[in-house]
This record gives sequence, C-alpha cells and structure tokens, in this order.
Amino acid sequence: DGGITQSPKYLFRKEGQNVTLSCEQNLNHDAMYWYRQDPGQGLRLIYYSQIVNDFQKGDIAEGYSVSREKKESFPLTVTSAQKNPTAFYLCASGGQRAEAFFGQGTRLTVV
Amino acid sequence: GNSVTQMEGPVTLSEEAFLTINCTYTATGYPSLFWYVQYPGEGLQLLLKATKADDKGSNKGFEATYRKETTSFHLEKGSVQVSDSAVYFCALSEIFNNAGNMLTFGGGTRLMVKP
Repeated sequence: DGGITQSPKYLFRKEGQNVTLSCEQNLNHDAMYWYRQDPGQGLRLIYYSQIVNDFQKGDIAEGYSVSREKKESFPLTVTSAQKNPTAFYLCASGGQRAEAFFGQGTRLTVV
Repeated sequence: GNSVTQMEGPVTLSEEAFLTINCTYTATGYPSLFWYVQYPGEGLQLLLKATKADDKGSNKGFEATYRKETTSFHLEKGSVQVSDSAVYFCALSEIFNNAGNMLTFGGGTRLMVKP
C-alpha cells in the first residue's frame, strides 16, 4: 500500500547527541514536510522540501537539519544545538491534489 | 501571510450531541481547506476537504462548507460518538511560489465525548 513511514516510533537522545529521524514515502509526492508538536499544542513547521536536492527553513529550523537526496526520503537530524528537543515529530508529504499525508510520528525524549 | 484560527478546546459533549468546531481563515488567494483528525499518539489523518467556494466536504458523518464570504470552514456532526474523541485541526493549502502547496494549520481543538 502507498503511504508515508516514519521510524523509529520512539527515540531517546542523550544530552549533546545528534539523532536522525527517518521519513520515507512511496506516494510519488514531490513535497515533503517536517513538523514539531508539543503536548497540547498545534503543529509548527521545521523544514520543507518541494523538490529533490532543495529544501527551505520553516518557522523553527534552528537546531535541526535535513537532506533530500531522493524523492522518497526526507530525514530530519536533531542536533545538539536544539536545546529543547523533546517533542512529537511528524513528517508529511503532499502531491498535486493539495492535501498532505502524514506519518505516524516519532516521539523524541531527551534522557 | 496566511493564517487559520479555530476555537480553543477542550470541547466536551455527551454522546449523540451536536458538534460544531469553528474555523476561520485568512489567505491571499484561493486556498483549499481541510479538516484533519489526530487520535492519541498518532499522526494526522485527513477527515474532509473542500477546494472551492460553496463546496461541502463530508466524511464519517462530519461536514464542513467552504464559505468564502465569511472566510470560514466550520466542522459539524449531527450526533457524536465516544470514538470521535480526538484533536481536530483546520488547515488551508495554497500554491506556493508555483512550486507546490503549503499547508497552514490552526492550533487544534480537542474533543472529548462522554458516554
């Protein structure tokens, strides 16, 4: 089945450590997005990519990095520069029909 | 820039009650409008959408009508069930720099339905 897959579902990070969240889609979508969600809050855009080898900062890009080497993949790295990384991270992809499709999310916790 | 405003929750209802969650938007062009639902610990699922003025989106008993004159897209359901308890997000999508769509989300409204 077509869809968007995030892994892992749960991730634990030590202080000062970089971690990478995976996002893969087989929907043939050009656009992919990363959002951060804090408890009881809405979604905030971290990075987005409209095409392979190109990406743009969203509203809260500091402390994060991304790459888009393949159409299917848009990994997010949470760097040690991100001082408060504990959150729920959502990846999405979008095609020409405007709506976005979301993965199941990765819950990142700093230990 | 674009923005979406939805009523703050939580909204608490008894089973079989009527539901309305208000959503208004600001956009520079002619956006598509969406309602997404998020169950605990999961990602967002598209609930319904409308792509032009006066369109009505509907799914699973939920409805919303694209009202350009009032810039609104209110979500309604005639009889809610306990299983409808979730967080609901209103969103709009507009073509961005001729290179794709950009979604703008409201802050989400938590619905709690009691038996």
